[in-house]
Amino acid sequence: DVKVTQSSRYLVKRTGEKVFLECVQDMDHENMFWYRQDPGLGLRLIYFSYDVKMKEKGDIPEGYSVSREKKERFSLILESASTNQTSMYLCASSSSGTTWNQPQHFGDGTRLSIL
Amino acid sequence: AQSVAQPEDQVNVAEGNPLTVKCTYSVSGNPYLFWYVQYPNRGLQFLLKYITGDNLVKGSYGFEAEFNKSQTSFHLKKPSALVSDSALYFCAVRVPRSGGSYIPTFGRGTSLIVHP
Repeated sequence: DVKVTQSSRYLVKRTGEKVFLECVQDMDHENMFWYRQDPGLGLRLIYFSYDVKMKEKGDIPEGYSVSREKKERFSLILESASTNQTSMYLCASSSSGTTWNQPQHFGDGTRLSIL
Repeated sequence: AQSVAQPEDQVNVAEGNPLTVKCTYSVSGNPYLFWYVQYPNRGLQFLLKYITGDNLVKGSYGFEAEFNKSQTSFHLKKPSALVSDSALYFCAVRVPRSGGSYIPTFGRGTSLIVHP
């Protein structure tokens, strides 16, 4: 069974801090994703990566960066946390294929509060 | 813009009755469609997908979905609802991105409440 593990379930940080959210998958998936989930807005894509050291901006990348130094790990970085980044953050992975038709596997999320 | 819509924020159904959660899409070309379920304080779990072939797709936990090209819909259905089906349901459609990748775009979600 695919397992996507997010390092923290709950996290409280202060405005201006640099925040790291970590995600690890154990199925050798090429693709990894970071979403934020807010009530009434669904899931919005922040960044994704289709290979080690490769990344592409999603729909809402402002204020975030990512790092993928190893295939199994994808980190989301809030450069200078702000209160409007308080949200649920979901990491996902999927296997590759030329038609991108594989389902995503999600972690249980990190609920981040910025005070 | 290519997207997916879930027109109902909430669906209420009595246990034992059939349920339908609606999804419509807008994409160019052939759509690749997915349904996911999210239980409280958990991540999303994959239920089923439509890529090609039979318009009726069967998935996990007794759920199925019907692809209708003329109505651009992909409604999720179950013949007999259980209280344990109460959760948040997301429809997603594969959307092309620059660079040749295709990333699922999600609807806003529909909260399904099954009453005993």
